[in-house]
Amino acid sequence: GNSVTQMEGPVTLSEEAFLTINCTYTATGYPSLFWYVQYPGEGLQLLLKATKADDKGSNKGFEATYRKETTSFHLEKGSVQVSDSAVYFCAPHPRGNAGKSTFGDGTTLTVKP
Amino acid sequence: GAVVSQHPSWVICKSGTSVKIECRSLDFQATTMFWYRQFPKQSLMLMATSNEGSKATYEQGVEKDKFLINHASLTLSTLTVTSAHPEDSSFYICSARGLAATRYNEQFFGPGTRLTVL
Repeated sequence: GNSVTQMEGPVTLSEEAFLTINCTYTATGYPSLFWYVQYPGEGLQLLLKATKADDKGSNKGFEATYRKETTSFHLEKGSVQVSDSAVYFCAPHPRGNAGKSTFGDGTTLTVKP
Repeated sequence: GAVVSQHPSWVICKSGTSVKIECRSLDFQATTMFWYRQFPKQSLMLMATSNEGSKATYEQGVEKDKFLINHASLTLSTLTVTSAHPEDSSFYICSARGLAATRYNEQFFGPGTRLTVL
């Protein structure tokens, strides 16, 4: 089955600092890769995704590149803001109608002014 | 497009009562719906997978008689927590996946339902 190893948190950064949250996965087949964000008290929101090797997903200044050779999908942002404080989940999703999604444990990010 | 709603967004109930949570795909047909449970400061735990018109498949350790799942149509799945107890208090999140070969063939998540059992 699939599994995800996500960088442990919590991560605390100052505003405008560079962010990296590591994510590596094991999966059968060729999954699509997703990052989700969960703001305090809310549900999951899709942040970005990549569906094939070397694709780069990007949204709101966040980026992640699908690295098939290293089975990684690290999340990066060049300059974080206080409003980016949230929990971030990495998740490979199987293709087609088979299989179920696996989530990383989540990484809590706190950005201080 | 690809909006998934949940109702209610939060519910408080007394111990021993049953609570029903609805998950709807608003603008696409969801052949598969997933139900997750999230404890405070923890990741999502998959509870069960339901395909329209068939019985749900429960994950190991999830009581099927406790958490009743019905996926009666292509746009609606319900989770009923029967005889709820305080330990069932949690954040319940559903997701829906559409037909293969469509742009909805990935998981779209609902906003979640916070259940508090007194």
